[in-house]
Amino acid sequence: DQQVKQNSPSLSVQEGRISILNCDYTNSMFDYFLWYKKYPAEGPTFLISISSIKDKNEDGRFTVFLNKSAKHLSLHIVPSQPGDSAVYFCAASAELSGSARQLTFGSGTQLTVLP
Amino acid sequence: DTAVSQTPKYLVTQMGNDKSIKCEQNLGHDTMYWYKQDSKKFLKIMFSYNNKELIINETVPNRFSPKSPDKAHLNLHINSLELGDSAVYFCASSLLRGGRGAYEQYFGPGTRLTVT
Repeated sequence: DQQVKQNSPSLSVQEGRISILNCDYTNSMFDYFLWYKKYPAEGPTFLISISSIKDKNEDGRFTVFLNKSAKHLSLHIVPSQPGDSAVYFCAASAELSGSARQLTFGSGTQLTVLP
Repeated sequence: DTAVSQTPKYLVTQMGNDKSIKCEQNLGHDTMYWYKQDSKKFLKIMFSYNNKELIINETVPNRFSPKSPDKAHLNLHINSLELGDSAVYFCASSLLRGGRGAYEQYFGPGTRLTVT
């Protein structure tokens, strides 16, 4: 039962163009969403996040959009650069008992930015 | 000055053996996690400890036993290794409370375990 889904396992984009990575979730208890970037043989690194009370968060070339009614979020990278080539994981956070939080990850999208 | 470190990075062993993976964080976080990335690339939570106390324990075979000697360390011991245990194991840390820091987890580089 995948609560967080990234339906595109891969995406290729030309350098300088926009990359759009998508993520869908099913659990209404998720109230915070994160994107992680992962290079081969390294651990995931935090990229950008958004609270469920917002619909957009921007950080430089990276913007995350949240559509709560559709249970959908997307990551926009513009302009895309070859160094952005990596696997991007969508993650959703929900509070457990005692203020503990748990992240649920999607399966990732491999982004390749072509020079 | 690595934030979250894991040892070893690669581990090749035979079925039936017992092995441990160590994790240390120097971020001052009070919560640590173990994740398993399987062949389908999903990152799945296994355990979480807050100040040496177990707070998340997903459905994991009891051959897996986490141990937290202090809040900066969380080790994973695996008994009687099986072929299906082959995966990449990631350690992570965060704050339990404290604004945005409570939401973001910082990951180690991973340990690739291969059971033959």
